[in-house]
Amino acid sequence: QQQVKQSPQSLIVQKGGIPIINCAYENTAFDYFPWYQQFPGKGPALLIAIRPDVSEKKEGRFTISFNKSAKQFSLHIMDSQPGDSATYFCAASKDTDKLIFGTGTRLQVFP
Amino acid sequence: EPEVTQTPSHQVTQMGQEVILRCVPISNHLYFYWYRQILGQKVEFLVSFYNNEISEKSEIFDDQFSVERPDGSNFTLKIRSTKLEDSAMYFCASRDRYNEKLFFGSGTQLSVL
Repeated sequence: QQQVKQSPQSLIVQKGGIPIINCAYENTAFDYFPWYQQFPGKGPALLIAIRPDVSEKKEGRFTISFNKSAKQFSLHIMDSQPGDSATYFCAASKDTDKLIFGTGTRLQVFP
Repeated sequence: EPEVTQTPSHQVTQMGQEVILRCVPISNHLYFYWYRQILGQKVEFLVSFYNNEISEKSEIFDDQFSVERPDGSNFTLKIRSTKLEDSAMYFCASRDRYNEKLFFGSGTQLSVL
């Protein structure tokens, strides 16, 4: 019940494409769903986060879609750039404390 | 933007030795965490710390692990007797009371030989 399942494991897109990364959770007590971006040799950095009271949140080129009934959420990256090439982790937690991370998606954006 | 600082960036130790990983959280933050990431795998929660005590710990955080905030600025993770399977990147993280945003350090790569 504590798991967060993430797919795909890796993703390759052309510059300008819209990669979509999906996550699913089981624990209905989770109330905070962040996405983290990680570059090699660096710690995860918060990209965008959503609470279950909204179905979509947009910040710049990054959008989270949230489906409470399906217990799924996804990250969309609009107009992707080579600089977006990184590993992306979804996560979930209750009360913003202990984060349960997904397994990560390695994104490569080619020029 | 403020940063969480971790030292050392790399630590190599022999199995059975004690190691201390050090972190300087962001100065006005009150909640502190350790996570670890085994190469190529997901980030895993180890422990959370607030008000000078452990708030929550995972199954990984057994009696060989301990955390301490020895002064007003440092936050440390001690592994008493390292095992080969403790080899991982260890991340310190912190947040303040009012903001859910968690700031991670760049990590300490621990290699146990």
